Amino acid sequence: QVQLEQSGAEVKQPGASVKVSCKASGYTFTRYHMHWVRQAPGQGLEWMGVITPSGDSTRYAPKFQDRIIMTRDASTSTLYMELNSLTSEDTALYYCAKDSGSFSGDYWGQGTLVTVSS
Amino acid sequence: QSALTQPASVSGSPGQSITISCTGTSSDVGDSYYVSWYQHHPGKAPKLMIYDVTKRPSGVSDHFSGSKSGNTASLTISGLQAEDEADYYCCSYTSINTYVFGTGTKVTVL
Repeated sequence: QVQLEQSGAEVKQPGASVKVSCKASGYTFTRYHMHWVRQAPGQGLEWMGVITPSGDSTRYAPKFQDRIIMTRDASTSTLYMELNSLTSEDTALYYCAKDSGSFSGDYWGQGTLVTVSS
Repeated sequence: QSALTQPASVSGSPGQSITISCTGTSSDVGDSYYVSWYQHHPGKAPKLMIYDVTKRPSGVSDHFSGSKSGNTASLTISGLQAEDEADYYCCSYTSINTYVFGTGTKVTVL
C-alpha cells in the first residue's frame, strides 16, 4: 500500500533553514507529481509547491518563491523540501502529498512539525 | 494569491444534508476543472474526498458529492453522520499553474 513517511520534528532558530524529507513506498515514485502543504497553528491548509515526476521542474506558491527548494531522489524514492530564512510564522505542521494524477493529493504523509523559536 | 472563501462553520443534525461553499475567482475556481475537497482532522493527514469537481476516489462514501457553478464550488454531505464531523477544505488549480486552498469549514454534527 502507498505510504509516505516523513522525517521527525525540528526546532530551528529564526533565520535558519530546515530540510524535511518524505520517503515514499508502495507505488512507482517516478510517475507522480509530489506536493508540500503546511498548516500553522490555528490556521488552514496552505499549498507550498509541487515537483514533477522526474524532478526537473518545480512550481512554488508566490509567497515561498524566493526561499523554498523542492527536490526528489529517485534512487531512494525520497522527496525533500528546504525552507530558508525561517521566522516564527513558519512554525507549522508540514505535509507531503502524492498527486493523484488529477491535480489533487490522494496520499499524504503524517506531517512534520517545524518549530521556529529563539 | 488569496485563499478561497469558505464559511467558517456549518452544522446539521444526523441525517440532514449540508452544503459547504467555496468561492474563488475567474483565475482559479471559475477557470478550473480541478477543484478538490479534503476532510481534515487537525494533526492527522488530510483525506481526499472529491477531485475534478465531482469525482469521488474509491472508498469515499457516496453521501459526499461535489459541484461547481461559476466561481463557486460546493461540497454536499447528504445524510450527515457523526463521523463526518471534521474540517473541510476546498482546493483549486489556478491560471498561473499553482494551487490555492480554501479558508476551511468546521462541520459540526449536532
